Amino acid sequence: QQKVQQSPESLTVSEGAMASLNCTFSDGTSNNFRWYRQHSAKGLEVLVSIFSDGEKEEGRFTAHLNRANLHVSLHIREPQPSDSAVYLCAVSMGYAQGLTFGLGTRVSVFP
Amino acid sequence: DMKVTQMPRYLIKRMGENVLLECGQDMSHETMYWYRQDPGLGLQLIYISYDVDSNSEGDIPKGYRVSRKKREHFSLILDSAKTNQTSVYFCASSFGNSDYTFGSGTRLLVI
Repeated sequence: QQKVQQSPESLTVSEGAMASLNCTFSDGTSNNFRWYRQHSAKGLEVLVSIFSDGEKEEGRFTAHLNRANLHVSLHIREPQPSDSAVYLCAVSMGYAQGLTFGLGTRVSVFP
Repeated sequence: DMKVTQMPRYLIKRMGENVLLECGQDMSHETMYWYRQDPGLGLQLIYISYDVDSNSEGDIPKGYRVSRKKREHFSLILDSAKTNQTSVYFCASSFGNSDYTFGSGTRLLVI
């Protein structure tokens, strides 16, 4: 069964500094990777979807995928206080299995 | 605007009562999912539906059943709710493995 682990559990950054989040997965046949943001008591907002090794940028959010190392990361450029939220990594081996989520990284951005 | 709609948003039920959570989507997606989200456990997959009357258990199906009689509608049913089923429930739909859309969630409290 797929295991998805995120680190760190929590992260505090200053406004304008780069924030980096990590996600490791256990099944090398995984082919769909997503980063979601979840503000307190709210729904899931997709930030970046990535399907092949390399880099994918969506605005201030960049995902890096290295399937050989079973690792996908998210970098947040110039984070703002409104980016304070829980960031969830989700991995899929196919639509028949759905998405497997990590437990999240809680990001706090201070002015 | 493509979306997944969940009803109700908030629900309080007594232990032993039956619970019906409803989910609709307007994208004609074949595949739909039910997840629950709990602190420390993250999002866990309850059931998957591949199309009308084609459902499969996810990782934590015990205590739940589902119904899908129309492609755009997927229901989660708790027969005789238990206090440990207090959670936030998310419905999602997907187009193959490339496009997942989540609803805003239903907060269920079983007392």
